[in-house]
Amino acid sequence: QKEVEQNSGPLSVPEGAIASLNCTYSDRGSQSFFWYRQYSGKSPELIMFIYSNGDKEDGRFTAQLNKASQYVSLLIRDSQPSDSATYLCAVFPGQFYFGTGTSLTVIP
Amino acid sequence: GAVVSQHPSRVICKSGTSVKIECRSLDFQATTMFWYRQFPKQSLMLMATSNEGSKATYEQGVEKDKFLINHASLTLSTLTVTSAHPEDSSFYICSASLDKYEQYFGPGTRLTVT
Repeated sequence: QKEVEQNSGPLSVPEGAIASLNCTYSDRGSQSFFWYRQYSGKSPELIMFIYSNGDKEDGRFTAQLNKASQYVSLLIRDSQPSDSATYLCAVFPGQFYFGTGTSLTVIP
Repeated sequence: GAVVSQHPSRVICKSGTSVKIECRSLDFQATTMFWYRQFPKQSLMLMATSNEGSKATYEQGVEKDKFLINHASLTLSTLTVTSAHPEDSSFYICSASLDKYEQYFGPGTRLTVT
């Protein structure tokens, strides 16, 4: 079983819509959770991190964590074409594990 | 803040030669640096974790004699790909950690072995 699982997509949403990206993890000891955005040919950049159950908002981005369900999600409100990228989920149960990423396309 | 640089950004080398990639944390001291490899359309694969002044910890399946890691200071780690072969062609990315909860990535180095 993979440590971190993401739907590879591609996920397509129209401009202005809400994009919802999901991630599940296997290690209940995971302490911190991260979302990275990676444009093609570039390295990942940190968007958000979350440690506690519930929601964490930063601008158009909201991370949601449910440790009981071992589930973390990222919502992108008012999606823009510039949000088109691959989104990587990462968890830290002592070391970093990355998911394979979800490809998001925002259609103008 | 939390800027990580890598050099070179691209390198082409001949099979059998060695290539050194530098990773620097520019505005913070990194307790730990990580080296990843990413093949096209695949996720990051952790190769090794290095702490300043100690030997790197390699992931299973990564040859430590082929991928030499030196972490000489809290701001510099180097990865040397020795006797490179075409199958080593990949995107190599380093990251530096402020503490155990966050890591910041360098821009990556695209290695092509001909």
